[in-house]
Amino acid sequence: QVQLVQSGAEVKKPGSSVKVSCKASGGTFSSYAISWVRQAPGQGLEWMGGIIPIFGTANYAQKFQGRVTITADESTSTAYMELSSLRSEDTAVYYCARAEKVITMVRGVGFYFDYWGQGTLVTVSS
Amino acid sequence: SYVLTQPPSVSVAPGQTARITCGGNNIGSKSVHWYQQKPGQAPVLVVYDDSDRPSGIPERFSGSNSGNTATLTISRVEAGDEADYYCQVWDSSSGPCVFGTGTKVTVL
Repeated sequence: QVQLVQSGAEVKKPGSSVKVSCKASGGTFSSYAISWVRQAPGQGLEWMGGIIPIFGTANYAQKFQGRVTITADESTSTAYMELSSLRSEDTAVYYCARAEKVITMVRGVGFYFDYWGQGTLVTVSS
Repeated sequence: SYVLTQPPSVSVAPGQTARITCGGNNIGSKSVHWYQQKPGQAPVLVVYDDSDRPSGIPERFSGSNSGNTATLTISRVEAGDEADYYCQVWDSSSGPCVFGTGTKVTVL
């Protein structure tokens, strides 16, 4: 059984950075794909980016390019999401999730999220 | 970018059937996944690849996908099904991960 445990809530000043961790247990971490999804208060889900630790290369949603960095440490089975230049609109719950692959001849490759962390509230306030 | 449109809310009486739509351009050519999210909790996967259910998800949850609309159907609705529901696709040409706008299901 895969379990993802995230770091605790953070309060940050505008312009600063935040780094959220996501420690995995169960399964083989290096072969996971881990994504980060955020949810602003009262709003929907928004994908930020993801990484496959064994490859080490992350990809990001265009909206967050240049501001977000996703990394993974295979030795500790932990993924990280760092968001810089924080503004009030970044106040949200940030989730990590394991992305499982679905492949079909016709539709190609896609991912869905079968295990989620508990979420980390990041509050950006002066 | 690819857009997935869901109705903001659906109301259903206990024991009846709830249908939640997810509209997108030629969505039938993509795999659609559905999540249930209760207040203060992380999302839970309830249907993946259009119509498959993860282990532990009741058979009351089913999905279909054709043309420009995917549908999540909840049969014999229970009070515990009250939640927000999101559809999701992976579209390599945009996103690549896109979530629907979300639907709040209210059990009357």
